[in-house]
Amino acid sequence: NAGVMQNPRHLVRRRGQEARLRCSPMKGHSHVYWYRQLPEEGLKFMVYLQKENIIDESGMPKERFSAEFPKEGPSILRIQQVVRGDSAAYFCASSPPYAGGSYEQYFGPGTRLTVT
Amino acid sequence: EDQVTQSPEALRLQEGESSSLNCSYTVSGLRGLFWYRQDPGKGPEFLFTLYSAGEEKEKERLKATLTKKESFLHITAPKPEDSATYLCAVQEGNFNKFYFGSGTKLNVKP
Repeated sequence: NAGVMQNPRHLVRRRGQEARLRCSPMKGHSHVYWYRQLPEEGLKFMVYLQKENIIDESGMPKERFSAEFPKEGPSILRIQQVVRGDSAAYFCASSPPYAGGSYEQYFGPGTRLTVT
Repeated sequence: EDQVTQSPEALRLQEGESSSLNCSYTVSGLRGLFWYRQDPGKGPEFLFTLYSAGEEKEKERLKATLTKKESFLHITAPKPEDSATYLCAVQEGNFNKFYFGSGTKLNVKP
């Protein structure tokens, strides 16, 4: 059973370009979360999605950032017109369907974005 | 205001020297508290979930405990391979997102 998959693992973009980060959740998981981690810091929640729905985007910057989780295919985190401050590790996590309890989130290996 | 605070930020131990990591939280209506291990350049690896005060979970040399305001991760007789950053996260109420602490960076020397 494959774990959470993210690609690319490393991404270099120049200022002003677009970055697209992909995440395929674990088999059977319908919930996807995106987090950002700066060096020597903890993970900061960005957005929580289910298939075709954004449930909570309270941690996402209002401009330049967007996320989707289409009916078919991976979840995409898009960053338009990247700036140097966007350089960070971006992690995707997934969890099984929510049934009123609390489910642990399983993380992918991350995408390390460097903006030059 | 930080919902989750971890201490110490860094901890250096000799192999075999037991110690504890602390995670204190301020969220109300705790739904779950989670411990993860993160190695450099990798994603967090799930260790434990704790749901209510008094609960304990064990895995090899690690033992996690939970009170109403904090959790401890006890490391008994650590080995160099236990060196990593240990992250604590909480989930509250009806919200699905996790609040993570900044982690404790553990270094176990042989």
